[in-house]
Amino acid sequence: DTGVSQNPRHKITKRGQNVTFRCDPISEHNRLYWYRQTLGQGPEFLTYFQNEAQLEKSRLLSDRFSAERPKGSFSTLEIQRTEQGDSAMYLCASSSLSTSDFTDTQYFGPGTRLTVL
Amino acid sequence: AQSVAQPEDQVNVAEGNPLTVKCTYSVSGNPYLFWYVQYPNRGLQFLLKYITGDNLVKGSYGFEAEFNKSQTSFHLKKPSALVSDSALYFCAVRNTNAGKSTFGDGTTLTVKP
Repeated sequence: DTGVSQNPRHKITKRGQNVTFRCDPISEHNRLYWYRQTLGQGPEFLTYFQNEAQLEKSRLLSDRFSAERPKGSFSTLEIQRTEQGDSAMYLCASSSLSTSDFTDTQYFGPGTRLTVL
Repeated sequence: AQSVAQPEDQVNVAEGNPLTVKCTYSVSGNPYLFWYVQYPNRGLQFLLKYITGDNLVKGSYGFEAEFNKSQTSFHLKKPSALVSDSALYFCAVRNTNAGKSTFGDGTTLTVKP
């Protein structure tokens, strides 16, 4: 399977715990995005990387959220001291901004559904 | 700032009839526009995109979309709907110079046999 993969697919945690999600992009895609999606809404942008550099972070990304892409391949999204309001689907997408695709078309993974009790 | 509006939360059509899912956008500069489809408990699947040129864009599964610059719209269409087209559809926009895309809140399409 050469698509975007995310692990775990589901995570249930108690309020105050830390959680970490992983995203493996399509091979050789140089951009990686994180979005959050709640019921009845479209994906909301959180942050994105070009290779290992984090180029933009949304104001939605509070100090409790951190994302890394250490070697320009997979990425992790960590949420510290989780709150019930963090319950959502976390989506990862990757793209290849290049001369062959200058539109930066994003391809999404299946998402990680987080439930904070 | 960029934004997307999908004015209809739900669209219902009969199988075999044409369907339209509406999208309007706001962006500074020239837009790239996208349609995605989401099935339950799945990620978003790319359907089609508008870059420049021809205002009618053809995509996957028989879908097409019409770009209208004066009305800042990018409506998704299909000449003959299938029951299997029932899903949640998202329109997205990004500025040609931006990294992130902005998504609408989605339209649930239901195709009845």
